[in-house]
Amino acid sequence: DVKVTQSSRYLVKRTGEKVFLECVQDMDHENMFWYRQDPGLGLRLIYFSYDVKMKEKGDIPEGYSVSREKKERFSLILESASTNQTSMYLCASSSRDTLRETQYFGPGTRLLVL
Amino acid sequence: DQQVKQNSPSLSVQEGRISILNCDYTNSMFDYFLWYKKYPAEGPTFLISISSIKDKNEDGRFTVFLNKSAKHLSLHIVPSQPGDSAVYFCAATRGINQAGTALIFGKGTTLSVSS
Repeated sequence: DVKVTQSSRYLVKRTGEKVFLECVQDMDHENMFWYRQDPGLGLRLIYFSYDVKMKEKGDIPEGYSVSREKKERFSLILESASTNQTSMYLCASSSRDTLRETQYFGPGTRLLVL
Repeated sequence: DQQVKQNSPSLSVQEGRISILNCDYTNSMFDYFLWYKKYPAEGPTFLISISSIKDKNEDGRFTVFLNKSAKHLSLHIVPSQPGDSAVYFCAATRGINQAGTALIFGKGTTLSVSS
C-alpha cells in the first residue's frame, strides 16, 4: 500500500512565525504535491515537484515555498505565517510510471495561525 | 475561473438507493477524470477514474459516466450505504509538462446516506 505521511496532524502557530510542513512518501514516487483545502473552495494546488530539487508553482503559491532535497520528502514552508493561511494542508504523491498518475494523499495537517 | 464544477454542495440519499454526483468541466483539453472520497480529518482517497476515450467505467458499486460533448461526468453509487457518507471531489488532469501532471479539483459534494 502506498503510504504518504505528514509530520503533524494539528499545528498552532502565531502570525509571523516560520512554519515547516513535512511530507514523506514510501513508494518511490517521482511527483509530489501540496494542496490546501478550505470550505467551499475545494482543493487548491500550492506547489508541486516532479523530481528532486525541481519545483513548479501551482495555482496559489503566494506566501509559500517548497523544498525537495530527497525524492521521498517534500516540505512546504510558510515564510511568515498569516491568519489567512489557516487551513487544512494536504500532501500527495504519484508515480510517473503509470499511463496516468493517480495521486495518493496523506492524512492532512490542520494549521491554525493565531 | 473554475474549470471543474460541482454545482451541488450536498446530496442526501436513503440507504439502498442510487446516489448520483455530478461534475462539469470547461477545459476541452482535459482527458482524464478522477473521483476522490474524503472523510473528515483524513486525506482524500482515490475512488475511480475514466479516460476520455471511454464513456463508462465501473468498479463494484461505483460507476463513472463521461459525456464529452456535454463536458459532464457523473458518479453513480448503487446501492448507497451509510459508510459512503463523505465529501466527493471530482478532478481532471491538465498537462503541465512531460514529467508530471497536476489535478484540478472541484469544490466537492457532501453525500449523506441515511439508514
